[in-house]
Amino acid sequence: EADIYQTPRYLVIGTGKKITLECSQTMGHDKMYWYQQDPGMELHLIHYSYGVNSTEKGDLSSESTVSRIRTEHFPLTLESARPSHTSQYLCASSPRFGQTEKYNEQFFGPGTRLTVL
Amino acid sequence: QKEVEQNSGPLSVPEGAIASLNCTYSDRGSQSFFWYRQYSGKSPELIMFIYSNGDKEDGRFTAQLNKASQYVSLLIRDSQPSDSATYLCAVNGVSNFGNEKLTFGTGTRLTIIP
Repeated sequence: EADIYQTPRYLVIGTGKKITLECSQTMGHDKMYWYQQDPGMELHLIHYSYGVNSTEKGDLSSESTVSRIRTEHFPLTLESARPSHTSQYLCASSPRFGQTEKYNEQFFGPGTRLTVL
Repeated sequence: QKEVEQNSGPLSVPEGAIASLNCTYSDRGSQSFFWYRQYSGKSPELIMFIYSNGDKEDGRFTAQLNKASQYVSLLIRDSQPSDSATYLCAVNGVSNFGNEKLTFGTGTRLTIIP
């Protein structure tokens, strides 16, 4: 079972608030990812990191920012939340090549469902 | 053309029958292929992975890979109502930055009819 955690699981917040979605993994994985997914829709990669102090933007443009100061922690921040940010945010991690036979398998956290009013 | 293509469905299969899910990909350099299952409102979970051409079986699940045709499929034998979910195909390739990345298809929604 994957040990990747996300908090909060549900968040309802007003427009203009600053929010941080937390993601932590205890597997020692180098690579971590943030996806955005609306109900019944596809996964969109918004940020990824291949190690400490390494972050890249994903395929879908996002107003959020991320940081990777520690291997196990990959928080996502929205400086000013808007209703258009309402979505499910999924964090995932994967080991580097050689750590496991399942090359680049991604383990997903339970997700944070964000609603911005 | 999308990098990973799946029929969005919905695909309806009677209980006990074989469900066949298909996926095509565009990057010939792709090396590993994954099938994830996602229940409504939940996060994806890995059910199969395959690297080599041919078939790989795990219980009721069989993954099939044909790199020449850039095609990967998932067969579910003896389908159960609990198999009703969206199935995501994911392909490992190389990003524009030269790093490895996993590209997901849009998913196929499968419904098993009792």
